Amino acid sequence: GENVEQHPSTLSVQEGDSAVIKCTYSDSASNYFPWYKQELGKRPQLIIDIRSNVGEKKDQRIAVTLNKTAKHFSLHITETQPEDSAVYFCAASIGTGRRALTFGSGTRLQVQP
Amino acid sequence: DVKVTQSSRYLVKRTGEKVFLECVQDMDHENMFWYRQDPGLGLRLIYFSYDVKMKEKGDIPEGYSVSREKKERFSLILESASTNQTSMYLCASSRPRGGGQFFGPGTRLTVL
Repeated sequence: GENVEQHPSTLSVQEGDSAVIKCTYSDSASNYFPWYKQELGKRPQLIIDIRSNVGEKKDQRIAVTLNKTAKHFSLHITETQPEDSAVYFCAASIGTGRRALTFGSGTRLQVQP
Repeated sequence: DVKVTQSSRYLVKRTGEKVFLECVQDMDHENMFWYRQDPGLGLRLIYFSYDVKMKEKGDIPEGYSVSREKKERFSLILESASTNQTSMYLCASSRPRGGGQFFGPGTRLTVL
């Protein structure tokens, strides 16, 4: 089955700096890659996703890039703010609807004011 | 706005008890999922269902079963709770073509 590895496990940045979280996946048939943000004590929430026919997607300060050849994808957060502090999870699936997501182990991002 | 609710936020049970965790979604989603979340391990899939009365095992189904009698409701059952099942349990739902999953608030289960 699919295996998703996520790095780093913890990341500390200064407010205003950029943060990058990287994930690799094993199943070349995977074609859907979402990112979730989980604040302390709250449920994971989808923040951005990308499908394999797209190399990059951006939404304000957040962007995701995908390299299908290398089987890795990354989350980029620019101009970080204290409210970006959370645990971020990447995931991958064969997005036909009957296949579930496989999640990475998470990255705890701390933005220092 | 998608709403996924879970029957309890916190639950304390004794070893050997039968435990029911219930999840309800109001967006007519075909797919529903149960995960457990443990520190450093991310979210691990226990079971999922893509239709009423249909179920598929995830990565860690041992010690669990599920029931989907109605489209909006997906139950996770611990037949005989054990201490290693102490965890946060998250339910999620999604549309039939996959895509983003919407999560419930979670149930923190402690088995003593």
